[in-house]
Amino acid sequence: DSGVTQTPKHLITATGQRVTLRCSPRSGDLSVYWYQQSLDQGLQFLIQYYNGEERAKGNILERFSAQQFPDLHSELNLSSLELGDSALYFCASSVGPLSGGRTEAFFGQGTRLTVV
Amino acid sequence: SQKIEQNSEALNIQEGKTATLTCNYTNYSPAYLQWYRQDPGRGPVFLLLIRENEKEKRKERLKVTFDTTLKQSLFHITASQPADSATYLCALVPSGGSYIPTFGRGTSLIVHP
Repeated sequence: DSGVTQTPKHLITATGQRVTLRCSPRSGDLSVYWYQQSLDQGLQFLIQYYNGEERAKGNILERFSAQQFPDLHSELNLSSLELGDSALYFCASSVGPLSGGRTEAFFGQGTRLTVV
Repeated sequence: SQKIEQNSEALNIQEGKTATLTCNYTNYSPAYLQWYRQDPGRGPVFLLLIRENEKEKRKERLKVTFDTTLKQSLFHITASQPADSATYLCALVPSGGSYIPTFGRGTSLIVHP
């Protein structure tokens, strides 16, 4: 158990809909990362938050947004869903983005999103 | 453009042998290189981290080498076991900036009893 909790584990929804994925980082971790993993693209970085503030953006679509709350949990909002958004969405956490030492990320079990 | 390459073909080996996986990269100046293990339908699990000024790192049956001249890391599992069967991902953490791990697509390892 990595200590990172993601809910829900599975989500099936229709095209055009909006969903929210939730992530609780490991206790003490201030940084949260969201990744998308699909069969043809591998693990793609979407966005990072550190202590409530957006820190870095990757290949995140404009239809997607995220936030990190004062209690450090994070939510990823996916809207106007398309078939191609079907993927595994992972949240990871780490101590912090500027750590010069142990910068490994701890991943949750993921949310499998299926858009039909 | 930046690229991380891992062999897309599965590596099949016999139990007890040493598995060697390769991670090559271009147009990166990584501060760190990490290796993760991922089982089907589960999140990646961190295994080892090696810094740019380190040549080799060991942890139990695992060994990682890092050659910044060749832009390559090798990941070795000695005395492999069927339980080692999984996909292994390398990730590069760039120097400076936000330390975001960027992942390769992984290589599947299958250890046959």
